[in-house]
Amino acid sequence: QLQLQESGPGLVKPSETLSLTCSVSGDSISSGSYYWGWIRQPPGGGLAWIGNVFYSGSISYAPSLRSRVTISVDTSKNQFSLRLTSVTAADTAVYYCARQLRSNWYYDIWGRGTLVTVSS
Amino acid sequence: QSALTQPRSVSGSPGQSVTISCTGTSSDVGYYDYVSWYQQHPGKAPKLMIYDVTNRPSGVPDRFSGSKSGNSASLTISGLQAEDEADYYCCSYAGNYALVFGGGTQLTVL
Repeated sequence: QLQLQESGPGLVKPSETLSLTCSVSGDSISSGSYYWGWIRQPPGGGLAWIGNVFYSGSISYAPSLRSRVTISVDTSKNQFSLRLTSVTAADTAVYYCARQLRSNWYYDIWGRGTLVTVSS
Repeated sequence: QSALTQPRSVSGSPGQSVTISCTGTSSDVGYYDYVSWYQQHPGKAPKLMIYDVTNRPSGVPDRFSGSKSGNSASLTISGLQAEDEADYYCCSYAGNYALVFGGGTQLTVL
């Protein structure tokens, strides 16, 4: 059974870079059947799409974050990652990784999420 | 790419039906039949309830149904149960390999 697990620092200082990893177990990230995505949710707020990556490295980002975000995939570790630069308090959120079936525009499997707080 | 518009809250009594709306534009909801709905209980990850406007994943009760008309989509929950109390989010494909979520709706079962 496929499982996704987010990991990374829970506290990041303003202006620094947020880095998270999503470990995939139960399936190969290189299967070619899925996109792998990041979604975030500020405390008390709604879901916001960050972006997707395909195992080959093809990526798409939310326009509002495009200048600060990088999503990458490491097939050797069966992981994909999120980097968000120049963070502010507005980037404080629970960050989820999720699986999207290729050519289908929905997420069927989600990680449990990890809270990242931006504070000095 | 603006967030889809949902009512902040809806409510209903056990056994009743409720409908949650999701309004987008002719570039997302109105153009593509790729609207999905997610249920989220407090402190939990979202769970897929409806995909491609009307389809239910295996295991989702048939009390949940989806529809679309023009630039708006809807999620209807019939025969409300206490366990349906949660936040619900719509999501649409917006072209160029991008997705957009709604602001979320809090469902209260009275």
